[in-house]
Amino acid sequence: NAGVTQTPKFQVLKTGQSMTLQCAQDMNHEYMSWYRQDPGMGLRLIHYSVGAGITDQGEVPNGYNVSRSTTEDFPLRLLSAAPSQTSVYFCASSYSTGVGNTIYFGEGSWLTVV
Amino acid sequence: DQQVKQNSPSLSVQEGRISILNCDYTNSMFDYFLWYKKYPAEGPTFLISISSIKDKNEDGRFTVFLNKSAKHLSLHIVPSQPGDSAVYFCAASVYSGAGSYQLTFGKGTKLSVIP
Repeated sequence: NAGVTQTPKFQVLKTGQSMTLQCAQDMNHEYMSWYRQDPGMGLRLIHYSVGAGITDQGEVPNGYNVSRSTTEDFPLRLLSAAPSQTSVYFCASSYSTGVGNTIYFGEGSWLTVV
Repeated sequence: DQQVKQNSPSLSVQEGRISILNCDYTNSMFDYFLWYKKYPAEGPTFLISISSIKDKNEDGRFTVFLNKSAKHLSLHIVPSQPGDSAVYFCAASVYSGAGSYQLTFGKGTKLSVIP
């Protein structure tokens, strides 16, 4: 069972470079989201999508862009990488946004910006 | 303003004993609470949840207690096993409009179960 798949797992970027973190899920989930985890900060929501063609900002959206052209894919784009974006990124999905719906996370993408 | 607080960054417990992880929240609009478990180099995985209309939910060795008046919930693990060693995140859900619910996570508590 693939579940939520993120690529790449590790990436080093130079300041100012752009890149895309890929996320795909095979569970036909409507709701997808991106979180970042920083030491001592827990998980913070970057962007989310409630369905194909619909995206919205989370708690920390600045410097990131998303799109949702299909139900399966939800890529996260770093427009101009900054050292403050060094973090672990988790993509997540759930069947719906209803209360109590379990969110499934990918394994994470470790990004270092130098 | 941190709406979900896990004030203990770490906890060490002897194998076989009870582990109690605590979580406090400030937003009275939260209506569903979840615990996630995270091993190093892996994504968080769902562990157990509780609706705000209940005060207890049990699943095997894991029990979550909710005290709405105190805005406090706790996760009890009995008996604790070495495989339970992980970071535990408390999360709370609130309706954010347009049919969407958002999760707010605490900073996590690292549990170490000593054999």
